[in-house]
Amino acid sequence: GESVGLHLPTLSVQEGDNSIINCAYSNSASDYFIWYKQESGKGPQFIIDIRSNMDKRQGQRVTVLLNKTVKHLSLQIAATQPGDSAVYFCAETPYQAGTALIFGKGTTLSVSS
Amino acid sequence: EPEVTQTPSHQVTQMGQEVILRCVPISNHLYFYWYRQILGQKVEFLVSFYNNEISEKSEIFDDQFSVERPDGSNFTLKIRSTKLEDSAMYFCASSTGTRYTFGSGTRLTVV
Repeated sequence: GESVGLHLPTLSVQEGDNSIINCAYSNSASDYFIWYKQESGKGPQFIIDIRSNMDKRQGQRVTVLLNKTVKHLSLQIAATQPGDSAVYFCAETPYQAGTALIFGKGTTLSVSS
Repeated sequence: EPEVTQTPSHQVTQMGQEVILRCVPISNHLYFYWYRQILGQKVEFLVSFYNNEISEKSEIFDDQFSVERPDGSNFTLKIRSTKLEDSAMYFCASSTGTRYTFGSGTRLTVV
């Protein structure tokens, strides 16, 4: 699979590979983090979230890892499929109702079959 | 699954004209937001709205922008005098608390 240590704007993988997308966040006060997927012409879609009292959370084929020491977040996609091709954004916010999401730079994931 | 609906999907306007972008948030959500995304860039927060007033706004949200909830279902973003640099995708979102749902966006093109 593909592993990215630093944020890269694009990531190209083969179908079936594992993908890792990285994100650095900026605000030490943020304690809630969300990964979004954005397909062309659509709004951001929720993938998975994690609160700062956890360092790992798993969903269906996706895992989010949080390293608060270095303010780093990653999204792992297992067995990447062509339908996973999209732009992926991380977002951070204090865990409070109604607060603004601060989005990171996106990573464009391209999956070839 | 409930959706946030935005209209129109694409709006072309002349520089200096006023535009109103419309959103129907999810019915039981209490918090409403506008974000924008300039082509190829990240999504940026504009404003949040709760209990019929602005709760937070970014430096982008200057006097040219205003928001309104004119009735029980719609949430609008008005740009009074559009500039070329207002061209972007505008996303409406709503939440009950911390789980946000985004609409598909309105592509605003200022010519």
